Amino acid sequence: QQQVKQSPQSLIVQKGGISIINCAYENTAFDYFPWYQQFPGKGPALLIAIRPDVSEKKEGRFTISFNKSAKQFSLHIMDSQPGDSATYFCAATTNNAGNMLTFGGGTRLMVKP
Amino acid sequence: DTAVSQTPKYLVTQMGNDKSIKCEQNLGHDTMYWYKQDSKKFLKIMFSYNNKELIINETVPNRFSPKSPDKAHLNLHINSLELGDSAVYFCASAGGFYNSPLHFGNGTRLTVT
Repeated sequence: QQQVKQSPQSLIVQKGGISIINCAYENTAFDYFPWYQQFPGKGPALLIAIRPDVSEKKEGRFTISFNKSAKQFSLHIMDSQPGDSATYFCAATTNNAGNMLTFGGGTRLMVKP
Repeated sequence: DTAVSQTPKYLVTQMGNDKSIKCEQNLGHDTMYWYKQDSKKFLKIMFSYNNKELIINETVPNRFSPKSPDKAHLNLHINSLELGDSAVYFCASAGGFYNSPLHFGNGTRLTVT
């Protein structure tokens, strides 16, 4: 059972455009939602994270929008750059899960120059 | 200095063999993890381990076993390798507080022939 569903699987965006990646979760006990960025040949690295007590968090060009009632959250990348081309993973965990993250299936983003 | 390092980077072996992957972290973190990333990029938690507790994902076959000689190391032993074990295996570590970000190594690509 996949507890965190991510879409789309792949995304192509022109340079300067907005990249949007969506995730939906089932477990209402989840209370921490990070996004990880993975470049080829590297391990994932934390990009940005949100708790469900806020509806939006912004860090530079990256914004997480969170809708608790819909059990959905999304990553927006503004002014997308070729250097943003990577695989993005949403994830979720609970307070008693020992930081064991449940990841979404990943989105491969390509930003065309 | 590499924060989380894994060796080897590539591992090619035959079915039925036993192999180990080593992981070391120099971040002083209390908890270490092993994740498996399959050919579709899906990331799945295998183990979470600190000096007090081992948490095993119930779907992981008992041919897989983590071994921690000390707090900075968590090695992964795999017995009787199968074709389906082919994947990229990531070691990660995190600090002791809830929501501390995971720091991943760069992965070990295991190919079983």
